[in-house]
Amino acid sequence: EIVLTQSPATLSLSPGERATLSCRASQSVSSYLAWYQQKPGQAPRLLIYEASNRATGIPARFSGSGSGTDFTLTISSLEPEDFAIYYCQQRSTWPLTFGGGTKVEIK
Amino acid sequence: EVQLVESGGGMVQPGGSLRLSCAASGFTFSTYWMNWVRQAPGKGLEWVANINQDESQKYYVDSVKGRFTISRDNAKNSLYLQMNSLRAEDTAVYYCAKGLMTTPNFFDPWGQGTLVTVSS
Repeated sequence: EIVLTQSPATLSLSPGERATLSCRASQSVSSYLAWYQQKPGQAPRLLIYEASNRATGIPARFSGSGSGTDFTLTISSLEPEDFAIYYCQQRSTWPLTFGGGTKVEIK
Repeated sequence: EVQLVESGGGMVQPGGSLRLSCAASGFTFSTYWMNWVRQAPGKGLEWVANINQDESQKYYVDSVKGRFTISRDNAKNSLYLQMNSLRAEDTAVYYCAKGLMTTPNFFDPWGQGTLVTVSS
């Protein structure tokens, strides 16, 4: 099973700041990685798939990069609605697995 | 608009059974892979199972193999999860999620979830 480790666990930032979230895989997943956003009481929402492709309707301030074992989700300038928990997920190998999440909170 | 609405959750005793349903609308259900993903209270996400368009391929996380069965009815635009021999650790919100057309093992969108509580 591929383990995805997300860091940091919590990121405290102010609106307008840049957020950089990391996801590291225990073995290569090529570019088969996605990012999701989850707000309290809501279902997750797909942001990025195949490491760098924005999903439909996702603002351009969200971008993804990386391949192999190291991936990054960047939010260029945080909006109030971006404070949430972010998860990465791999589809390279069964079982499909998620990272433990990074909480982006208001500083 | 794509909609996924889960139902069938509730409280059940350890060893009991429950059948979850997911009603899909707003897209051609029969042409997409479908998934179940769960989230224990206050915890992260765990993929549970998925199924291809004609039910010829089904995959499960090891912890539910032999206990859970995923199925679908394309005529009814519905996805199901039959859960038997339930354990306390199966307690979670269960989400139904549609696979992407080109990459079916990424999930978009998700339903709002249904809560399953396994407790005596």
